[in-house]
Amino acid sequence: GIQVEQSPPDLILQEGANSTLRCNFSDSVNNLQWFHQNPWGQLINLFYIPSGTKQNGRLSATTVATERYSLLYISSSQTTDSGVYFCAVWAGTALIFGKGTTLSVSS
Amino acid sequence: GAGVSQSPSNKVTEKGKDVELRCDPISGHTALYWYRQSLGQGLEFLIYFQGNSAPDKSGLPSDRFSAERTGGSVSTLTIQRTQQEDSAVYLCASSLRLAGGILANEQFFGPGTRLTVL
Repeated sequence: GIQVEQSPPDLILQEGANSTLRCNFSDSVNNLQWFHQNPWGQLINLFYIPSGTKQNGRLSATTVATERYSLLYISSSQTTDSGVYFCAVWAGTALIFGKGTTLSVSS
Repeated sequence: GAGVSQSPSNKVTEKGKDVELRCDPISGHTALYWYRQSLGQGLEFLIYFQGNSAPDKSGLPSDRFSAERTGGSVSTLTIQRTQQEDSAVYLCASSLRLAGGILANEQFFGPGTRLTVL
């Protein structure tokens, strides 16, 4: 089956810093989503991005489907950005999730 | 409501008891998914419903797990004779899947049910 790998597993930032999270996947996919899991466990949709680049405020994402990776950029990080970021790809029936990147932003 | 809802939010049960978890998808979404999030296994797929088609049960970990979807809307996940390894957060998601299409639309998740088996 499709393998999804995220890096880095953990990231510690000072407020205001920028960061890049990476998601590699082992096969071609028709759908890729980025989620933020908040401290209460809710999965918040960030991007639905099978290919190309999208931006939403301080966050942007790029998926290069032909090279099987996606990047999530967080600029001017805030403490509220803390949590776990998941990349998930469509495997024909359901989403396959990576293990996530745990982001901690301190003030 | 506008989002996926799940109940209960927390469930504590004794080993060997049966539990039922409920999911209300977003109105109009034809596809419904159950996932499980546990410390050791991360987020894993359990079962998928699409319209009136037979569900894809390929992710169910054992025959103690079952799910149904009534009227193409509400779904119930049932775990019989619960074991301690069933302790996890059970997440439901829904999406607006295109009929006959190969592209799956964006999935939206509910808040989850945290199950603790003592």
